[in-house]
Amino acid sequence: QKEVEQDPGPLSVPEGAIVSLNCTYSNSAFQYFMWYRQYSRKGPELLMYTYSSGNKEDGRFTAQVDKSSKYISLFIRDSQPSDSATYLCAMSVGSGGGADGLTFGKGTHLIIQP
Amino acid sequence: EPEVTQTPSHQVTQMGQEVILRCVPISNHLYFYWYRQILGQKVEFLVSFYNNEISEKSEIFDDQFSVERPDGSNFTLKIRSTKLEDSAMYFCASSAPSGPRNEQFFGPGTRLTVL
Repeated sequence: QKEVEQDPGPLSVPEGAIVSLNCTYSNSAFQYFMWYRQYSRKGPELLMYTYSSGNKEDGRFTAQVDKSSKYISLFIRDSQPSDSATYLCAMSVGSGGGADGLTFGKGTHLIIQP
Repeated sequence: EPEVTQTPSHQVTQMGQEVILRCVPISNHLYFYWYRQILGQKVEFLVSFYNNEISEKSEIFDDQFSVERPDGSNFTLKIRSTKLEDSAMYFCASSAPSGPRNEQFFGPGTRLTVL
């Protein structure tokens, strides 16, 4: 079973707020977890890539993975209007030596109000 | 910065016609993928391709679909006889995996409309 759940939103927050985006999944074999940003009618843009459980920080973005709870999060600090987009979580098992297809959540539509 | 490119950006076709969607992956990447996104739905994996053969495919990727790397730069997706339900955004992606680590970079997509 390859299912990833993500609240589609929209999530509307004021500029400067901390944003928390989340996904849950059911397949315990997933080991690689990604966050993509997608602007309207554009391709997904890779933001964060993490392996197994733990935290990873990159600028204003922090990704967290809790494999025991099958729960991943993306935090955005000091949110800007330009962060307004749809955020997609994606994951893979990593057993195919690079050939794995990604399983995506439906995406959360984020709106940062100026 | 290197990027994946796709042509055309929008393709309109009649039901039953064949379409070929084209992609130029990032030049040093070895793995290539096709995904689709029906309007309002999830991005769905179709197929992965490595060393001139299909590595993995989903249930969606039936006999109507085929992929090819006709030369050293292009990667194509062919739909033999399009159906109305094939209308979607089609994304190409590529990666240069290091062991099991596999960061996939996506192109801007081709919007396919089947009438």
